Amino acid sequence: DAGVTQSPTHLIKTRGQHVTLRCSPISGHKSVSWYQQVLGQGPQFIFQYYEKEERGRGNFPDRFSARQFPNYSSELNVNALLLGDSALYLCASSLTTDEQYFGPGTRLTVT
Amino acid sequence: RKEVEQDPGPFNVPEGATVAFNCTYSNSASQSFFWYRQDCRKEPKLLMSVYSSGNEDGRFTAQLNRASQYISLLIRDSKLSDSATYLCAVNTDSGYALNFGKGTSLLVTP
Repeated sequence: DAGVTQSPTHLIKTRGQHVTLRCSPISGHKSVSWYQQVLGQGPQFIFQYYEKEERGRGNFPDRFSARQFPNYSSELNVNALLLGDSALYLCASSLTTDEQYFGPGTRLTVT
Repeated sequence: RKEVEQDPGPFNVPEGATVAFNCTYSNSASQSFFWYRQDCRKEPKLLMSVYSSGNEDGRFTAQLNRASQYISLLIRDSKLSDSATYLCAVNTDSGYALNFGKGTSLLVTP
């Protein structure tokens, strides 16, 4: 079975621009979570969706938004990019909301 | 106080050694606990869920101490391939998200 997939793998954007990151969960998994990981830190929770409903939101500004589609794939959108948004963005898939399996991530660089 | 704290290390150990990592958490209502392994510039991979009774998977043993609010990971007979960062994760108040520690770096040397 395919694992969690994310696209793109790498992205370079300029301050002020907008970015959309995509994630497809493991087949049969209905929950998708998004995390941001900066160098030297553990992943920080951004959003969780289950059955297309937002279940939780971390301490991130409103510039961050997400949604989940009927096929359980998900998008993370970030507006008005700041240099501090440079990070590895991880998507995690879970059957319900317990054990989470991560995709390879999207490495975002904001210049 | 951070919600999940780990000793960042690095832990440098010779092959064959036994090494133990601890992780403390602040939310006494937490119900789910995990250890992840993360290689450089890769995603975290789920290593073990941690159950109240403790669990073992080959050379790896995880324990939970609810009274003292910590979880531990023991690696026996360390291999070179065990070199990685080990992250502990604890579910949040809402139960849905995971709070991660900063990770503990392990380097196993020949």
